[in-house]
Amino acid sequence: SQQGEEDPQALSIQEGENATMNCSYKTSINNLQWYRQNSGRGLVHLILIRSNEREKHSGRLRVTLDTSKKSSSLLITASRAADTASYFCATPGKYIFGTGTRLKVLA
Amino acid sequence: GAGVSQSPRYKVAKRGQDVALRCDPISGHVSLFWYQQALGQGPEFLTYFQNEAQLDKSGLPSDRFFAERPEGSVSTLKIQRTQQEDSAVYLCASSSRGTVLEAFFGQGTRLTVV
Repeated sequence: SQQGEEDPQALSIQEGENATMNCSYKTSINNLQWYRQNSGRGLVHLILIRSNEREKHSGRLRVTLDTSKKSSSLLITASRAADTASYFCATPGKYIFGTGTRLKVLA
Repeated sequence: GAGVSQSPRYKVAKRGQDVALRCDPISGHVSLFWYQQALGQGPEFLTYFQNEAQLDKSGLPSDRFFAERPEGSVSTLKIQRTQQEDSAVYLCASSSRGTVLEAFFGQGTRLTVV
């Protein structure tokens, strides 16, 4: 079984728009990570946020963490066609992944 | 090498055949993880090594699955008497830390059991 749940499961947007995806988890965590997976490829680490952080930025990515609600969000601003991929949140311990959000950015 | 390397990239096995999947982690990385990813799903944890010690194998789905990392570097995931439900992508990841933080993933081995 998987600890995290991302929503939406699928998201389709136009290039230049922002994409927001959410992740909920079940147990207390020290940190949470977001990964990207292009079709047929391995996972690429995007950003790690620790439990004492509420928000973190990396380029066009913004991640928030609400430990009281056990949820995190990933915002991709000014999306590009190359952002088309599946996005997963992962929590430590056994490095549990959610089911992912499949993002499609239309040119 | 520069990244985590897995081989083969693709493997087709007849049901009942044994397979061995190889993972070459980033040099010097102490932690190594194996995951199974079914189509349209997230990766599911299989097992974790710290150096040569297999610290957690609770995710291995049956005793047909076996993993080793004898010298604390290259790891092999072996599946005996493959079944159709074993068809999936098998991902390997390594990390320089003794924990699971910021692991680097290989591109995976896609196993198809026919």
